[in-house]
Amino acid sequence: DAGVTQSPTHLIKTRGQQVTLRCSPKSGHDTVSWYQQALGQGPQFIFQYYEEEERQRGNFPDRFSGHQFPNYSSELNVNALLLGDSALYLCASSLAGTSSGFTDTQYFGPGTRLTVL
Amino acid sequence: GQSLEQPSEVTAVEGAIVQINCTYQTSGFYGLSWYQQHDGGAPTFLSYNALDGLEETGRFSSFLSRSDSYGYLLLQELQMKDSASYFCAVCGNYGQNFVFGPGTRLSVLP
Repeated sequence: DAGVTQSPTHLIKTRGQQVTLRCSPKSGHDTVSWYQQALGQGPQFIFQYYEEEERQRGNFPDRFSGHQFPNYSSELNVNALLLGDSALYLCASSLAGTSSGFTDTQYFGPGTRLTVL
Repeated sequence: GQSLEQPSEVTAVEGAIVQINCTYQTSGFYGLSWYQQHDGGAPTFLSYNALDGLEETGRFSSFLSRSDSYGYLLLQELQMKDSASYFCAVCGNYGQNFVFGPGTRLSVLP
């Protein structure tokens, strides 16, 4: 049973560029959440997708957007990259259904390390 | 808003018991979770407490006191492989948000 997978593993971009990160949830899971983790800090919640819609959103600007596909996989898009966007981006999946998606066990992927120069 | 506090570092020896505390401030509290993260790895779920009391899972136990906005993770019979960062995380705002604490780096010495 495949766990959560993310691609790419590493990415280098320059300021002002746009980036798309991808996530495939654990088999059978219907909810995907995205987090940003700066070095030495805890993950920060970006947003959560369920039934192809953004269900919850953390305190991140509109430059951060996402999408969920019918197969439950998800993308995170970041426009107009800033140096401060350099971080590990984590995807977590859960089987939430109509619950919040946070009270169930979240399974995290290995992350995508984004470096903005 | 929501905020969590936990010690930044804890050091213990193999075989010992260590307790990592977490205090939180939030509205619409749903529950407190604990995650383990090894260097370069992904966070791994350890436990979730929605009600007051102690939850035990093998060598790890987690406690919650909703009235005190406080919880802790207890690790027993420490092993070298337990060296990692441990994060508490609160589900608040009536299930609308999920906030991680700053993390506690545990070092287990031989």
